[in-house]
Order: sequence, then C-alpha cells, then structure tokens
Amino acid sequence: KNEVEQSPQNLTAQEGEFITINCSYSVGISALHWLQQHPGGGIVSLFMLSSGKKKHGRLIATINIQEKHSSLHITASHPRDSAVYICAVQTSGSRLTFGEGTQLTVNP
Amino acid sequence: ETGVTQTPRHLVMGMTNKKSLKCEQHLGHNAMYWYKQSAKKPLELMFVYNFKEQTENNSVPSRFSPECPNSSHLFLHLHTLQPEDSALYLCASSQVLQGGYTFGSGTRLTVV
Repeated sequence: KNEVEQSPQNLTAQEGEFITINCSYSVGISALHWLQQHPGGGIVSLFMLSSGKKKHGRLIATINIQEKHSSLHITASHPRDSAVYICAVQTSGSRLTFGEGTQLTVNP
Repeated sequence: ETGVTQTPRHLVMGMTNKKSLKCEQHLGHNAMYWYKQSAKKPLELMFVYNFKEQTENNSVPSRFSPECPNSSHLFLHLHTLQPEDSALYLCASSQVLQGGYTFGSGTRLTVV
C-alpha cells in the first residue's frame, strides 16, 4: 500500500462543475503539497499546507491532520484546468513522497 | 518559466552513450533534487543535495551519477543506461527546512 493514496485516479467534468480530489496518507508529515502537472511534464506547485485551509483564485486546499486527509477543490472548472494533480507529503527533512496523481479532464 | 531551468528538454541516447542532464536555479534556494517519473508511476526521489552536499541517495544505480558544483547548478551524468531508464527526469529546488518546492520542466529521456 502506498503511503499516499489519491482518489479518483481519473476524473472527467463539464466546464463549470465543482471538482474535488482527495488525498489520504499514512505517515507523520510536516507539510502536504498539491502540485499540477501539464502534458509537457513540468510541475507547478499549487499549495503547501500544514494545517487548515488555503485559497488561491478558484483553487482551495484543505487538510485534516488528525484524519490524515487533504482535499483539493476547483470551483467553476475550466478546460485549462485539465492536468494531472499530484498530492505529495513532506516527511523527514525535505523529502517528498508522492501520490500517483489524478488525471483531470474538463470538457467545454 | 518557473525559475528552475532544465536542459535538454528531450534526449535520445543509446545504451553505450554518455550524456548529462543539467539543472539551474537562481532562486537562492539551498536544496536541489533529482526525481524520476516513469510511465504510470508516482515520482521517485533519486538524489538530494543540501548546501551542495549530497544528503540522500535513494538506492539509485551507479549508472546515474549526480554532481552539484555549487548551490545553483545540479547535473545528472548518465552512462550505460538501460531501456527501462527511459522516463521524465525532474529537477527541483527549495529552501532547506522551509519546503516551498519549485520544479523544472523536466528532461524526457529515451534510451534506445
């Protein structure tokens, strides 16, 4: 079993829909990261969380440390949001352990 | 551009070739990383450098040889690779103990 589990693996939505991607982890962490990877391969860091909730534009990330669970929400989704969304947890030092990613496709 | 630049973007090499991947950042970060992303698998940590010193080698085969001449540059020297080494190789940087990772765009490596 992976230390970081994401669900769903694949998600297809219509433009405008509210989207939720979930991440569960089984180890103690110092922080949790949400990353976005576009087809070209480059990765963009969206959020780094150690507690509570963060918002940036249409993106919201929450974390529940007690339940070892985080969610990434996208409001008013748009085709340009189509990408792979990756959850990663930061454990010892600067080490990151990654989930397998969620492939999101938003259709116009 | 994210502030972390990787070259080349694409590389095709034979199993007997020697090549190098380059990563450069001018963000003032003091930690740099190499990650490997194979098809349908999560990213895997390969090497960590903090303040130019290698602090982690995640059981990487010796045909991959990292080099960090200064805190802004990181190389991955490749020799006698295998076809299963074909993958996307990503470089990242951060401030030690502060997280806040910045990733490069990756080098898509194909070993033939």
